Amino acid sequence: GAVVSQHPSRVICKSGTSVKIECRSLDFQATTMFWYRQFPKQSLMLMATSNEGSKATYEQGVEKDKFLINHASLTLSTLTVTSAHPEDSSFYICSAKSPLPWEAPYEQYFGPGTRLTVT
Amino acid sequence: DAKTTQPPSMDCAEGRAANLPCNHSTISGNEYVYWYRQIHSQGPQYIIHGLKNNETNEMASLIITEDRKSSTLILPHATLRDTAVYYCIAPPNDYKLSFGAGTTVTVRA
Repeated sequence: GAVVSQHPSRVICKSGTSVKIECRSLDFQATTMFWYRQFPKQSLMLMATSNEGSKATYEQGVEKDKFLINHASLTLSTLTVTSAHPEDSSFYICSAKSPLPWEAPYEQYFGPGTRLTVT
Repeated sequence: DAKTTQPPSMDCAEGRAANLPCNHSTISGNEYVYWYRQIHSQGPQYIIHGLKNNETNEMASLIITEDRKSSTLILPHATLRDTAVYYCIAPPNDYKLSFGAGTTVTVRA
């Protein structure tokens, strides 16, 4: 099946610094990727939709200047948390839309997640 | 997108079938029902989806009522590794997935 990887799996950074998280589709091309955030004991919240070669579409309430998304190739999307603060500490998960939309239109393949801790 | 309602939690004995209900009374005629699960500290995993007909794959079966207002995910022989949060989603046509609180399923030995 389709595999999505994320790097790093865990990262600890100091307040005020920026952190980049990579999301890769390993065995398929992903024209559309999604970024989610999950706080402890809460459900996933969609942050943005990333389309290859175009600007990301952010959900309401998500600061686009703080969470920079780049989808420069068909296999890589990156999320950069700029000027991170402790309240940005969370579990960040990416997903890629299925390469076979005619079989499963809303199937997404999820990465393993990145645990960000801002001290 | 259609609102879905699931019980917050349920226990299941290992080796027994687990039946997870989901209500989606406002679902429209062309909206699918998708099921995902999330094992602790991992990314979600697709399980199964359906539109009108019942579906079965290697992981589970999905039973959709004739009026499409509710569905049941069946894990035929639950194992300890099936302990997870299960999400029932009826995504709109923009391909976004909206995760609610889901059902926390605990499989006990």
